[in-house]
Amino acid sequence: RKEVEQDPGPFNVPEGATVAFNCTYSNSASQSFFWYRQDCRKEPKLLMSVYSSGNEDGRFTAQLNRASQYISLLIRDSKLSDSATYLCVVNGLYNNNDMRFGAGTRLTVKP
Amino acid sequence: EAQVTQNPRYLITVTGKKLTVTCSQNMNHEYMSWYRQDPGLGLRQIYYSMNVEVTDKGDVPEGYKVSRKEKRNFPLILESPSPNQTSLYFCASSLSGYEQYFGPGTRLTVT
Repeated sequence: RKEVEQDPGPFNVPEGATVAFNCTYSNSASQSFFWYRQDCRKEPKLLMSVYSSGNEDGRFTAQLNRASQYISLLIRDSKLSDSATYLCVVNGLYNNNDMRFGAGTRLTVKP
Repeated sequence: EAQVTQNPRYLITVTGKKLTVTCSQNMNHEYMSWYRQDPGLGLRQIYYSMNVEVTDKGDVPEGYKVSRKEKRNFPLILESPSPNQTSLYFCASSLSGYEQYFGPGTRLTVT
């Protein structure tokens, strides 16, 4: 099992659609979880942290399921500007300070 | 402006010629890290540093060195670059080691 695994996509959706990404991780002791966004040829930027209770930021909702060892990202009412690669990040797979990234899920939102 | 800077942004070099990629942050962050990004593999952590004079290996440290003599700087050194180190490199910094701010990336080609 990969340490951090994401469906690579691509996900091609029309504007206004709802799309969900999942990410699984291998170590149940992992501590912190994040979603980053990366535009083509640019640096990753933090989209949101993922809290145990789940959290929402506008059209974006992140959830954590520790029992099944996965996190999810839901995007509602997709915009053209949401087109990017979404990276799942897990902290604490091997020690308190390591950060492991998934390979990313590519999303294209079409008019 | 709060930022992480990297230099050079693009570099083409030959096998065996030592090189250094600089990284500097102006946010007084304690945690700094280097990653490489390759197609299909996502970002992989090379080295990280929790504070001045404290560095630790990440997932793929072989062939790289780092130093942290000052809080703001975290250079990446390739003593004898090889073609398999051709990649896109990102430096990142963080207050806590969790939510990271990335530099713009350095595209390195080793021929």
